[in-house]
Amino acid sequence: DSGVTQTPKHLITATGQRVTLRCSPRSGDLSVYWYQQSLDQGLQFLIQYYNGEERAKGNILERFSAQQFPDLHSELNLSSLELGDSALYFCASSAGGNSPLHFGNGTRLTVT
Amino acid sequence: AQSVTQLGSHVSVSEGALVLLRCNYSSSVPPYLFWYVQYPNQGLQLLLKYTSAATLVKGINDFEAEFKKSETSFHLTKPSAHMSDAAEYFCAVSNGGSQGNLIFGKGTKLSVKP
Repeated sequence: DSGVTQTPKHLITATGQRVTLRCSPRSGDLSVYWYQQSLDQGLQFLIQYYNGEERAKGNILERFSAQQFPDLHSELNLSSLELGDSALYFCASSAGGNSPLHFGNGTRLTVT
Repeated sequence: AQSVTQLGSHVSVSEGALVLLRCNYSSSVPPYLFWYVQYPNQGLQLLLKYTSAATLVKGINDFEAEFKKSETSFHLTKPSAHMSDAAEYFCAVSNGGSQGNLIFGKGTKLSVKP
């Protein structure tokens, strides 16, 4: 158990809809990262937050947004969903600096 | 720009045989390099990482990797495969020095035959 909790585990929704994925980092970790894993693109870094502030941005679409709350949990919001957004979305957390990433078990999003 | 290439999307070995998973990287700065393992329906777990200390890095479950700058390689090895090693393995390089913003390879699925 990595200590990172992601909910829900599975999500099925229709094109054009909006969903919110939630992540609770390991106790004490200030950094939260979101990754997308799809068959065609592989694992891609989306965005990082550190102690509530956006720290780095990767290949995140404008239709996607994220935030980190004062209690350090994070949410990834995906809107105007398309079939191609179907993927496994991982959250990872770290204490920062040279600390390793700890991944959650992911949320599998299926857009129909 | 940083990139990672994993040679072989599928590797199959017999139980007890040597495991060798290949990874080559490209980086414009001294890299941090990582190997992660993903078991079915689980997240990624760190096996080992290279952060410019010793070039031979030992990880969990008897895995190790050697950083070879001249070959831009960071291959993962294990002397004797166990059935429980069957999983997907990902090599990753840090993007711009951050150990959290990683660029992953496409992954290598390891099968272990009895």
